Amino acid sequence: AQSVTQLGSHVSVSEGALVLLRCNYSSSVPPYLFWYVQYPNQGLQLLLKYTSAATLVKGINGFEAEFKKSETSFHLTKPSAHMSDAAEYFCAVRKAAGNKLTFGGGTRVLVKP
Amino acid sequence: NAGVTQTPKFRVLKTGQSMTLLCAQDMNHEYMYWYRQDPGMGLRLIHYSVGEGTTAKGEVPDGYNVSRLKKQNFLLGLESAAPSQTSVYFCASSLTGEGAGQPQHFGDGTRLSIL
Repeated sequence: AQSVTQLGSHVSVSEGALVLLRCNYSSSVPPYLFWYVQYPNQGLQLLLKYTSAATLVKGINGFEAEFKKSETSFHLTKPSAHMSDAAEYFCAVRKAAGNKLTFGGGTRVLVKP
Repeated sequence: NAGVTQTPKFRVLKTGQSMTLLCAQDMNHEYMYWYRQDPGMGLRLIHYSVGEGTTAKGEVPDGYNVSRLKKQNFLLGLESAAPSQTSVYFCASSLTGEGAGQPQHFGDGTRLSIL
């Protein structure tokens, strides 16, 4: 069974600092990987996805993620945090042969001025 | 530009009551999903559907039923609500679910409290 682990349920960064959110997955086959963002009282919005093309994936709002098969990781980064980045972020995995997402527990990002 | 619409947005029930949550999508998506979101647990799949007239169990199906009578609608029912079903419920849809890495599109959620 596949699973997703997000290290750190809460992350606090200063405005302008690097944002790094960690995601590790377990899967016996090459997966499809996603990062979603959830703003307060809203649903999830897709930030970016990895579907076995380039290992460095660029998403919306300046975020990017790198797929590292050897480390089974798909960490999300943004070089310079903005106040509007305060939200909860979810990593999710879907096996190529399946149609269901498995989500990590989420990481809530707080941006300090 | 509605996307995925969930009704109601909020509801409070007493233990043992029943209710139905409605999800509607206007993107002609084949696949639809119901999740529940609880603190620290991410989203967990309750039931899903791969097309009109089909449903299947997800990770946490007990206590819930679903129906997909029309392609654009996916209903989630609680026959006898329990406090453990207090959660935020999200509906999602995707064009397909197989192989293409199609993202799921989410509604804004329904906050359900069972007293």
